[in-house]
Amino acid sequence: AQKITQTQPGMFVQEKEAVTLDCTYDTSDPSYGLFWYKQPSSGEMIFLIYQGSYDQQNATEGRYSLNFQKARKSANLVISASQLGDSAMYFCAMGYDYKLSFGAGTTVTVRA
Amino acid sequence: DAGITQSPRHKVTETGTPVTLRCHQTENHRYMYWYRQDPGHGLRLIHYSYGVKDTDKGEVSDGYSVSRSKTEDFLLTLESATSSQTSVYFCAISERAEGGGPYNEQFFGPGTRLTVL
Repeated sequence: AQKITQTQPGMFVQEKEAVTLDCTYDTSDPSYGLFWYKQPSSGEMIFLIYQGSYDQQNATEGRYSLNFQKARKSANLVISASQLGDSAMYFCAMGYDYKLSFGAGTTVTVRA
Repeated sequence: DAGITQSPRHKVTETGTPVTLRCHQTENHRYMYWYRQDPGHGLRLIHYSYGVKDTDKGEVSDGYSVSRSKTEDFLLTLESATSSQTSVYFCAISERAEGGGPYNEQFFGPGTRLTVL
């Protein structure tokens, strides 16, 4: 199985500040996709952002951006201008052969 | 929101009993997946389907079986439930990417909380 590592079990961030969530992956396949999902306390899984392995530019979606460093095999998520509603668990995942392999997740708590 | 429902949403059962979880989609997506979520493990793939009657194992398939007789329904069966199968189970769907990009995102159902006593 492909391996995804999220080294930060939990993080605190002040409202309106930016936060970076780390994700590293391990694969020998040249073609793959990288995803971030958000899971609030209500439990649903919400897709945030996607980066293809051949994409030249880093993906952005509103306040979310993905810092993709292919040589280092990292795909960090940056959330700008944090809001209280950003408090949640965040999962990094790698797509291969139409399957996803997930990291263990990072819990983000936004403080007012 | 993607049209994915899971039933039941909560279930408590006893060790040794059979359990079937249902995932239903209205999106006509080709790919369907079953994951389990446990603390410290993220989501782990149990089984997936790439078409009607076409299924394959994921990384934690022991003790589980699946069936897909219609595009819209994907069933997960625990033939004889054990306490180690207490978990939250998520169904997801996906479709082949159009044009560039090898992957489309997976859309998840609301989850089923299963407790095996």
